[in-house]
Amino acid sequence: KAGVTQTPRYLIKTRGQQVTLSCSPISGHRSVSWYQQTPGQGLQFLFEYFSETQRNKGNFPGRFSGRQFSNSRSEMNVSTLELGDSALYLCASSAGGQGVVEKLFFGSGTQLSVL
Amino acid sequence: DQQVKQNSPSLSVQEGRISILNCDYTNSMFDYFLWYKKYPAEGPTFLISISSIKDKNEDGRFTVFLNKSAKHLSLHIVPSQPGDSAVYFCAASAYNNDMRFGAGTRLTVKP
Repeated sequence: KAGVTQTPRYLIKTRGQQVTLSCSPISGHRSVSWYQQTPGQGLQFLFEYFSETQRNKGNFPGRFSGRQFSNSRSEMNVSTLELGDSALYLCASSAGGQGVVEKLFFGSGTQLSVL
Repeated sequence: DQQVKQNSPSLSVQEGRISILNCDYTNSMFDYFLWYKKYPAEGPTFLISISSIKDKNEDGRFTVFLNKSAKHLSLHIVPSQPGDSAVYFCAASAYNNDMRFGAGTRLTVKP
């Protein structure tokens, strides 16, 4: 089985622009979670999607949004980029069963630099 | 709001010795705990987990201990090997598909 695929691998943007990141989960996985990794802050939870619906959300401003398509692929969008948005954005997938904890399978991430 | 805390940003140990990585959490609703390992330029990979009904889980050289009353867990690696050098993340979940991670501890195992 192919792993979690994130594109692009690297991205450079300037302040005020918007960006869209893409994630293809492992085949058969219906849950996709997004995390932001910055030095010292670890992995900060952004949101989780299951069957095209946002099921959980972290404490990020509304500039961060996401969606999931019927094939479980997910996109994350950040509008009006700020310098502090520079980070590694990680996507993770799991089967997504309700009421069970499943280990997450992570992609290699998209490194976003905001200049 | 950091619900999962790893207070040691880095740890250095000699090959063959024990590595102990610590993690504290604040949310008493967390019922399941996991450790992930991350190498540079790769995503984190699952290492070992423990549910709140246990206080210890062992998998080869890796053992996780849970002290629920103290809201504390630790990962022991014995013996440590140079290939174990990586960033280790502690994670916790309340069975709601919302998994929270700590800031990570960078482990360096010296030959």
